[in-house]
Amino acid sequence: EAQVTQNPRYLITVTGKKLTVTCSQNMNHEYMSWYRQDPGLGLRQIYYSMNVEVTDKGDVPEGYKVSRKEKRNFPLILESPSPNQTSLYFCASGVWGNQPQHFGDGTRLSIL
Amino acid sequence: QKEVEQNSGPLSVPEGAIASLNCTYSDRGSQSFFWYRQYSGKSPELIMFIYSNGDKEDGRFTAQLNKASQYVSLLIRDSQPSDSATYLCAVKMNRDDKIIFGKGTRLHILP
Repeated sequence: EAQVTQNPRYLITVTGKKLTVTCSQNMNHEYMSWYRQDPGLGLRQIYYSMNVEVTDKGDVPEGYKVSRKEKRNFPLILESPSPNQTSLYFCASGVWGNQPQHFGDGTRLSIL
Repeated sequence: QKEVEQNSGPLSVPEGAIASLNCTYSDRGSQSFFWYRQYSGKSPELIMFIYSNGDKEDGRFTAQLNKASQYVSLLIRDSQPSDSATYLCAVKMNRDDKIIFGKGTRLHILP
């Protein structure tokens, strides 16, 4: 079954404590990307990757890091989380014209 | 200027009618356009993509693109209650490969 798997699904943590949200896909897709979704602001792209070792900033990259060492994995790293990063996060993968085709189930982060 | 705009709705359509969802974008050189459906509490699902001017049909869904007017729309024929969801328009920018989403239109199909 084609899947994009995010972990954890829910996390409550405190300001400044480094965290990583993992994302893995089993479809051999070149393209992967991260989004955050906030009420009234919609879905906004954080980072995307066209292939291994190739990453680019999306619309709202500040405060986030990513890496793409393997094709299947694209972790999102918050080195020093702050309350304004409290949000619902989605990872997605795709091929074709590199659009996001398949989304993970989402990770709800609360930074206190 | 907002880059991708959608009417937030809610758009209420009787069951069996045609639902028409609209989206405008600011980057004139954009080449790729996508429609996603998102049920409450769920992740977005890609339902249509379109690259060329004109219509593209897939089952009950038709995407329409007019690059001169910077306008893309989604028509849902024979609307069903299960079509009630938020529909997100997304555009891949020409200047880079960023994907910009509209804020979505809430669609409510009235039984």
